Amino acid sequence: QQQVKQSPQSLIVQKGGISIINCAYENTAFDYFPWYQQFPGKGPALLIAIRPDVSEKKEGRFTISFNKSAKQFSLHIMDSQPGDSATYFCAAKIYNFNKFYFGSGTKLNVKP
Amino acid sequence: GAGVSQTPSNKVTEKGKYVELRCDPISGHTALYWYRQSLGQGPEFLIYFQGTGAADDSGLPNDRFFAVRPEGSVSTLKIQRTERGDSAVYLCASSLSGGLSYNEQFFGPGTRLTVL
Repeated sequence: QQQVKQSPQSLIVQKGGISIINCAYENTAFDYFPWYQQFPGKGPALLIAIRPDVSEKKEGRFTISFNKSAKQFSLHIMDSQPGDSATYFCAAKIYNFNKFYFGSGTKLNVKP
Repeated sequence: GAGVSQTPSNKVTEKGKYVELRCDPISGHTALYWYRQSLGQGPEFLIYFQGTGAADDSGLPNDRFFAVRPEGSVSTLKIQRTERGDSAVYLCASSLSGGLSYNEQFFGPGTRLTVL
């Protein structure tokens, strides 16, 4: 059973546009929600993370929006660039446990 | 400084053979994780070490999989009697510590295992 459901599976955005990737979860014990970026042949790298005590976190062009009541969170990439073309994974973790649950990934292609 | 390294980068083996995959974490990182990533999927948790001990091995799919970290640094993932379904990229990650903290996990590039 997929603990974290991610959509869309793939996304094509024009340069300068906004990329939006969504994730949903069921387990209310999750209390840490990171997003990872992965380029081909590389391991995932942490992009930005949020805890459920805030509804939004912004770092540069990347923003996480968190809706605790809906059990959903999303990644917004503003002014998307071709260099952002990669696969993005959301993840979740329960407090005091070290098991991270990953979404199935979104392959983003930013067209020049 | 050096990141997480994994060797080999690629491993091709035959069904039924034994393989070992190695992970060198970032120096000083006490927490170490193994994940399996199948094609087109997200990483799937296998096992977590805090120091030398396996604190959570609930993700290991069956008893053919085993991992060790004898000195609290390098870890080896061992797969016995490999099956074609074991083909995947095996990722290792390390962080300063686990448990109550939210320290960033740093991933290695992975070992691509192909079982023929």
